[in-house]
Amino acid sequence: DTGVSQNPRHKITKRGQNVTFRCDPISEHNRLYWYRQTLGQGPEFLTYFQNEAQLEKSRLLSDRFSAERPKGSFSTLEIQRTEQGDSAMYLCASSSFGRGFRDEQFFGPGTRLTVL
Amino acid sequence: DQQVKQNSPSLSVQEGRISILNCDYTNSMFDYFLWYKKYPAEGPTFLISISSIKDKNEDGRFTVFLNKSAKHLSLHIVPSQPGDSAVYFCAARRGNQGGKLIFGQGTELSVKP
Repeated sequence: DTGVSQNPRHKITKRGQNVTFRCDPISEHNRLYWYRQTLGQGPEFLTYFQNEAQLEKSRLLSDRFSAERPKGSFSTLEIQRTEQGDSAMYLCASSSFGRGFRDEQFFGPGTRLTVL
Repeated sequence: DQQVKQNSPSLSVQEGRISILNCDYTNSMFDYFLWYKKYPAEGPTFLISISSIKDKNEDGRFTVFLNKSAKHLSLHIVPSQPGDSAVYFCAARRGNQGGKLIFGQGTELSVKP
């Protein structure tokens, strides 16, 4: 296992289109996080899962955003009716929590979204 | 409301010297702090962390200091190497249940040979 992987790495879309990103976490990590990063800023939390359960969602996550982790392994993040303000790097991270693990998050390379 | 702040967008240091990156936070409920390093076109990489019950944690060339009364932490890199050139993010979280990280804006470190 080489780490967290994200696909696609780059996505260019037109305003109003829907996009979906995928994240494959490190094997056996029970937590999976989504963050968004814009130029000159640090990552901003969007949502996270423990196994299949979505434990927290940010107010940044509007109705157009939905995330799933159906079997507690990979996760998808969908953005409907994209807007130019959605252009950002979308980062996924995974971690182990519980049984002595401290939830240190390991990040994937990100998916860069450009909305034209 | 920026709860974690890195007020220096950039820092330039000579190879072999000490690099000191600073971070301030406003939320006194934060009890765990982390530093991440990020190279272009890659995700952030975990570097070092510190719990609020400690004031120092060391790992090789990297040391993190926490001053809770000042709500300030710093990352010291000694000696600095050209490969350390990257963007460094400070992050914080609250509670012992893990969860979301609140990141600063980052400081771009350039280590010159």
